[in-house]
Amino acid sequence: KAGVTQTPRYLIKTRGQQVTLSCSPISGHRSVSWYQQTPGQGLQFLFEYFSETQRNKGNFPGRFSGRQFSNSRSEMNVSTLELGDSALYLCASSLEGAETQYFGPGTRLLVL
Amino acid sequence: GNSVTQMEGPVTLSEEAFLTINCTYTATGYPSLFWYVQYPGEGLQLLLKATKADDKGSNKGFEATYRKETTSFHLEKGSVQVSDSAVYFCARDRGSTLGRLYFGRGTQLTVWP
Repeated sequence: KAGVTQTPRYLIKTRGQQVTLSCSPISGHRSVSWYQQTPGQGLQFLFEYFSETQRNKGNFPGRFSGRQFSNSRSEMNVSTLELGDSALYLCASSLEGAETQYFGPGTRLLVL
Repeated sequence: GNSVTQMEGPVTLSEEAFLTINCTYTATGYPSLFWYVQYPGEGLQLLLKATKADDKGSNKGFEATYRKETTSFHLEKGSVQVSDSAVYFCARDRGSTLGRLYFGRGTQLTVWP
């Protein structure tokens, strides 16, 4: 069974731009969570989607948003990029939210 | 509060040495506990998990026991290899249906031949 895939793997943007990251969960998994990883803050939870509904959200500004499609694929969007948004963005999927989460390789975003 | 605290790194060991990485958690309820490993340039891989008190998770020679009385989940390996060099993250879930993990800050392990 294929693992969690994320596209693109690397991205360079400039301040003020917006970006969309994509995550395809493991087949059959309905829950998708997003995390931001930075050297300073470590791993921080962004949000979780289950059956196309956001049911859990971390402490991030409204510039960070996401959605989930009927096939469980998820996207996250960051608008008006700031230098501090440079990070590794990780997506994780699980059968249900409470089950073990399996992570993708991440998208490394650099904001210049 | 809801947090995970793990020992600061970096940890540097010689091959075949014994490894311990301490992890403690605070939680209201009975969360599941996890160790994830991150190799350079990659995402997180699940190493092992335990879902209830006194459970022992094990994988690839690594072990961790869920200790409710000390709220700990220390990672151990009897004989490390160079290929074990990575960053190790302790994590817990919310103990509910909501899918969210709380992570420790990570411990960098370097094993020398």
